[in-house]
Amino acid sequence: GQNIDQPTEMTATEGAIVQINCTYQTSGFNGLFWYQQHAGEAPTFLSYNVLDGLEEKGRFSSFLSRSKGYSYLLLKELQMKDSASYLCAVGANAGKSTFGDGTTLTVKP
Amino acid sequence: DAGVTQSPTHLIKTRGQQVTLRCSPKSGHDTVSWYQQALGQGPQFIFQYYEEEERQRGNFPDRFSGHQFPNYSSELNVNALLLGDSALYLCASSLVGGGEQYFGPGTRLTVT
Repeated sequence: GQNIDQPTEMTATEGAIVQINCTYQTSGFNGLFWYQQHAGEAPTFLSYNVLDGLEEKGRFSSFLSRSKGYSYLLLKELQMKDSASYLCAVGANAGKSTFGDGTTLTVKP
Repeated sequence: DAGVTQSPTHLIKTRGQQVTLRCSPKSGHDTVSWYQQALGQGPQFIFQYYEEEERQRGNFPDRFSGHQFPNYSSELNVNALLLGDSALYLCASSLVGGGEQYFGPGTRLTVT
């Protein structure tokens, strides 16, 4: 089965950088996804890592180490609108995805 | 280009009743996955449909069933509703080869 761990809550200041970690144990791996979910809304896709290393997309970057079962999402130049829940998800073979419970990020002025 | 759509937005049912939720995938997508999200938790995988067949299933009882139509749209059926079935039900579409999933706005189900 799959087991995904990420911190429950984090707080950061507007303009700062924050790193949200995710560790996973998996039987079958087909990529690591990060999603953003604002309260009362559906998750929206942020990033996808299938190979080790860093993927950068604007203010957001995501890192993966398959040997360590570890990923992080890096958010730079934080804005108030970045306050949301960030979900780490592992894709398994044949389509099943397992999500963590999310990290609620609060950005303060 | 229409994204993923779901209906209804909200639904209130009584214990023991049955419910059907509907989903239309993003244009060009052929695979639909259903998730249940309880408050404060991440989405839990229910099942995935591709080519009108259930391709993968999570740890949900047989009361949860689904269907995919030739136009790739999908339905989620839940029988004998329990209070614990109250949740946000999310539909996500993707391509069968994997990659990112696009989520619909969800259906908020309340069982009383």
